[in-house]
Amino acid sequence: AQKITQTQPGMFVQEKEAVTLDCTYDTSDQSYGLFWYKQPSSGEMIFLIYQGSYDEQNATEGRYSLNFQKARKSANLVISASQLGDSAMYFCAMREPNLTQGGSEKLVFGKGTKLTVNP
Amino acid sequence: DGGITQSPKYLFRKEGQNVTLSCEQNLNHDAMYWYRQDPGQGLRLIYYSQIVNDFQKGDIAEGYSVSREKKESFPLTVTSAQKNPTAFYLCASSVTKNTEAFFGQGTRLTVV
Repeated sequence: AQKITQTQPGMFVQEKEAVTLDCTYDTSDQSYGLFWYKQPSSGEMIFLIYQGSYDEQNATEGRYSLNFQKARKSANLVISASQLGDSAMYFCAMREPNLTQGGSEKLVFGKGTKLTVNP
Repeated sequence: DGGITQSPKYLFRKEGQNVTLSCEQNLNHDAMYWYRQDPGQGLRLIYYSQIVNDFQKGDIAEGYSVSREKKESFPLTVTSAQKNPTAFYLCASSVTKNTEAFFGQGTRLTVV
């Protein structure tokens, strides 16, 4: 079963507008971490933002914020004031304990959303 | 500078040959990961390691092998048993417990 679901293969946004990229996750554990990464066409993976499962406040990092709805198992990324340089693939990821291998943690990714910012 | 280094950046191999991708980090991170990315796809976990001399299979471990003899190094061998090895391979490392993973620049493997 897929652990991380990103339902938007592609999204378009006008420069200077805000955009929300969706992410839902599936876990039975109470302690987990959620991450968003950006991958430009160069292929590097750039960390954007982190949300812990016990964090009560939504995470924010500059123009990035994470809309965390724990009961719905949703961790959407909001990018405000989009810039042309924001055009890239965006991946949602989750770290959770590996219950069959005590002490280890898996870090799994969704299939990504390709964001295009139009001038 | 601290970081995670993958080499080579591009790799070409003949079908049926084993090939080893290098991943080295000087961040003193405990956890290391290997991912495979196909065009237009997300990252799929191949293997991961939490400590030296220990590693676990990810979601697509068949046809791959790893070792973790040193904390700094986590090489990935793509064996001839891997039916479709052409892909972009990413290595990552992290301190455990709710911190972000840092990625290398990736190795693009093409089997001809």
